[in-house]
Amino acid sequence: NAGVTQTPKFRVLKTGQSMTLLCAQDMNHEYMYWYRQDPGMGLRLIHYSVGEGTTAKGEVPDGYNVSRLKKQNFLLGLESAAPSQTSVYFCASIRGGSGTGELFFGEGSRLTVL
Amino acid sequence: EDKVVQSPLSLVVHEGDTVTLNCSYEVTNFRSLLWYKQEKKAPTFLFMLTSSGIEKKSGRLSSILDKKELFSILNITATQTGDSAIYLCAVEPHSSYKLIFGSGTRLLVRP
Repeated sequence: NAGVTQTPKFRVLKTGQSMTLLCAQDMNHEYMYWYRQDPGMGLRLIHYSVGEGTTAKGEVPDGYNVSRLKKQNFLLGLESAAPSQTSVYFCASIRGGSGTGELFFGEGSRLTVL
Repeated sequence: EDKVVQSPLSLVVHEGDTVTLNCSYEVTNFRSLLWYKQEKKAPTFLFMLTSSGIEKKSGRLSSILDKKELFSILNITATQTGDSAIYLCAVEPHSSYKLIFGSGTRLLVRP
């Protein structure tokens, strides 16, 4: 039961470097999300996708880009990492559309930008 | 602006105590409210609430929604050390694909 898988789980970057976080889900979910979690701030939505080939901005999109070329994969890119992007990143997916409730989360990717 | 506020931000109790966690919200066109438990890694789903006054229950955990006063509570009775976690509340508006999360309540249950 793979569910939602995120890679890498840990990464340390220097300011200005770029990287991509990969999220893969095997549940045939339409909707996928990238959140970041910082101490005392809960989960904040970065970008989301409501289907293959579509993406939209969330609450805190600046400094990030995303792509959903295949239904099962949702990529989060940092073109030029900044220390403010040090965080734990969670990918999530949902079965149907709105109102279907449960989000399925990956185990998180801890990113440190020095 | 839609928002979800949880209280308290943190709580320390002893095993066997009963705790009540609060979640209030201001959301345009409310659809559902969800509770998640987050231990070391990913949040895991606890409850989804859509109707006022109907209690959802799972073992020692229960939750209820008040759509008039715009809040929900999560109760945990006879707490155990395994209940130690961050509890997240989220609200889903109608016609939206996004959940809005509160900042969470960090619960520590001491032996």
